[in-house]
Amino acid sequence: DAGVTQSPTHLIKTRGQQVTLRCSPKSGHDTVSWYQQALGQGPQFIFQYYEEEERQRGNFPDRFSGHQFPNYSSELNVNALLLGDSALYLCASSLAQVGYGYTFGSGTRLTVV
Amino acid sequence: GESVGLHLPTLSVQEGDNSIINCAYSNSASDYFIWYKQESGKGPQFIIDIRSNMDKRQGQRVTVLLNKTVKHLSLQIAATQPGDSAVYFCAESAARQLTFGSGTQLTVLP
Repeated sequence: DAGVTQSPTHLIKTRGQQVTLRCSPKSGHDTVSWYQQALGQGPQFIFQYYEEEERQRGNFPDRFSGHQFPNYSSELNVNALLLGDSALYLCASSLAQVGYGYTFGSGTRLTVV
Repeated sequence: GESVGLHLPTLSVQEGDNSIINCAYSNSASDYFIWYKQESGKGPQFIIDIRSNMDKRQGQRVTVLLNKTVKHLSLQIAATQPGDSAVYFCAESAARQLTFGSGTQLTVLP
């Protein structure tokens, strides 16, 4: 079963650097959402991509940007990293026609030092 | 913005007993609710969901109850097993995004 795959699994970056995280959605899904999960907290919605466009965004600064490719895979980019960006970044895929049925990946653990 | 909250941060139960995890939500526009289980180092795993036009839904060993009058959601796990130990999140869906609570750590005691 081709579930949601994320890469890399772990990453260490220095404050001020830029990072790109990748996500391949579950087979048959066309929508990708990104979430940030700080330690001990619930995931927070960053944004959602559908048809290669951002169609919903949470309360995150412009340093957070994304992209969706024609094969539905997606990237999350974070510029000018802050210590507070250290978190587990989760990708969730779904089918737009259904509107729910989110499947999450195992996430990328980002540590900013 | 509005958020989903949980009543208890931790819950310990004896193996074989039933577990009840509670959740309060505040967004009246939410029309879909989900319970997720998250084990250490893993992403959230779907347990059960319920739409706002229902008040109860049952799965295998799990039941979700929705009380829209008081904006309350609960997850019942029957015959709790050691493998049920994890953090449980409720989430509400509105405007194409999920809003999660802070989670309840469920510990199953032998």
